[in-house]
Amino acid sequence: DAGVTQSPTHLIKTRGQQVTLRCSPKSGHDTVSWYQQALGQGPQFIFQYYEEEERQRGNFPDRFSGHQFPNYSSELNVNALLLGDSALYLCASSFPGGYTYEQYFGPGTRLTVT
Amino acid sequence: AQRVTQPEKLLSVFKGAPVELKCNYSYSGSPELFWYVQYSRQRLQLLLRHISRESIKGFTADLNKGETSFHLKKPFAQEEDSAMYYCALSDNAGGTSYGKLTFGQGTILTVHP
Repeated sequence: DAGVTQSPTHLIKTRGQQVTLRCSPKSGHDTVSWYQQALGQGPQFIFQYYEEEERQRGNFPDRFSGHQFPNYSSELNVNALLLGDSALYLCASSFPGGYTYEQYFGPGTRLTVT
Repeated sequence: AQRVTQPEKLLSVFKGAPVELKCNYSYSGSPELFWYVQYSRQRLQLLLRHISRESIKGFTADLNKGETSFHLKKPFAQEEDSAMYYCALSDNAGGTSYGKLTFGQGTILTVHP
C-alpha cells in the first residue's frame, strides 16, 4: 500500500488562474481531509469529504472547493488564485469507527502562484 | 474558537539530555490532543495521542486540563529525534470526532551529538 498519494508534486500557476489538486486515500479509508500549510506555519484545515459530500469546512473562502469520487479519491479546486494561495497542500485520509480518527497524510502538493 | 500554541519555534538539546516540547491549547469542549512528527524528507505522521496514554519512541505526553497543556517529553533525546513536531487538537462535534485537526505552528527539534 503506497499510502496516501497526491498529484502533482509541484505546480506553478499565475495569479487569477484555477488549479486542481488530486488525492488518493490510503487503502480502506473513505474520508479525505485537505489542509493548507503556508511556509513556517502548521497545516490549516480546509475541508473534509465523506460519502462524496463536504462534511466539515474550515475558514476558507468559496474559491476553495472540492469533490470526492465514488472510489474515495478527492480533488481540491482553487479558483481565482491569489499570491497568498502559495503553500503546500496536504491531503489526509482516515476511516470512521472508533472514538478517534487517525489521519494519514500524503506528501503534499507544492503550489506556487506568481 | 480552538487554538493550539507551541511557544518554541526552535529547540536544541544534546544527545542524552531530557527534552520537553511545549504545547498549550484553548478549546471549549473536551479535546483530543495529538503530537505529529515530520522527519526530514518524510511525510507528516502521528507520533502519539493523549487518549492512548502510550509511549512511542520513548516520548510521552500528558494532558493537563487545568493548565490546558499537552507537553511532549522524552528523558533521553537521541539524534534520530531531530524533526519538526506539531501539536494538534481535534474537535469533538456532538460526541463524534470527525478528525478536523487544528495544528500549532510547530517546533523544530535538533539533537546534537
